[in-house]
Amino acid sequence: DSGVTQTPKHLITATGQRVTLRCSPRSGDLSVYWYQQSLDQGLQFLIQYYNGEERAKGNILERFSAQQFPDLHSELNLSSLELGDSALYFCASSTWPSGIADTQYFGPGTRLTVL
Amino acid sequence: AQTVTQSQPEMSVQEAETVTLSCTYDTSESNYYLFWYKQPPSRQMILVIRQEAYKQQNATENRFSVNFQKAAKSFSLKISDSQLGDTAMYFCAFNSLAGANSKLTFGKGITLSVRP
Repeated sequence: DSGVTQTPKHLITATGQRVTLRCSPRSGDLSVYWYQQSLDQGLQFLIQYYNGEERAKGNILERFSAQQFPDLHSELNLSSLELGDSALYFCASSTWPSGIADTQYFGPGTRLTVL
Repeated sequence: AQTVTQSQPEMSVQEAETVTLSCTYDTSESNYYLFWYKQPPSRQMILVIRQEAYKQQNATENRFSVNFQKAAKSFSLKISDSQLGDTAMYFCAFNSLAGANSKLTFGKGITLSVRP
């Protein structure tokens, strides 16, 4: 158990809908990351938050947005869903920028299926 | 931009034997971290081992060790005494020390099967 929690575990929805994925980081970690794992794109970095502020953006679609709340949990919002958004979405956390090596610990993931 | 290449899509090894998984990367930076993550059928991403680029000594964690060749930009993972539980997908990942943020760049992964 990495200490990172994600809910829900599975999500099935229809095209055009909006969903919210939730993540709670490990105790003491201020940085949260979101990654998408799909068959054709592999594991891709989406976005990083540090203590409530956005710090880095990767290949995140404009239909996707995220935020980190004062209690440090994070939410990833996916809207106007398309079939191609079906994927496994991981949240990770780390002590960045503190620590000698920034090791990211991953949650169990949310499996999103868009029908 | 950094890239990570895992050119072997699949490998197989007999239980109790040793196997080496290859990874190369491309970067213009001198300070960075490298990682191997394991993804078993449960799909959980589990950290296997990490290496700081400024350290010349290769990292080891029990049966897992790396061969880090900085000049060649190579970072291979050796699994000794392979066990059935090592069956999983293995991802090599790069994280830069430069910049005001942190993100992992992953290779495409390699599927390792351990045969009984």
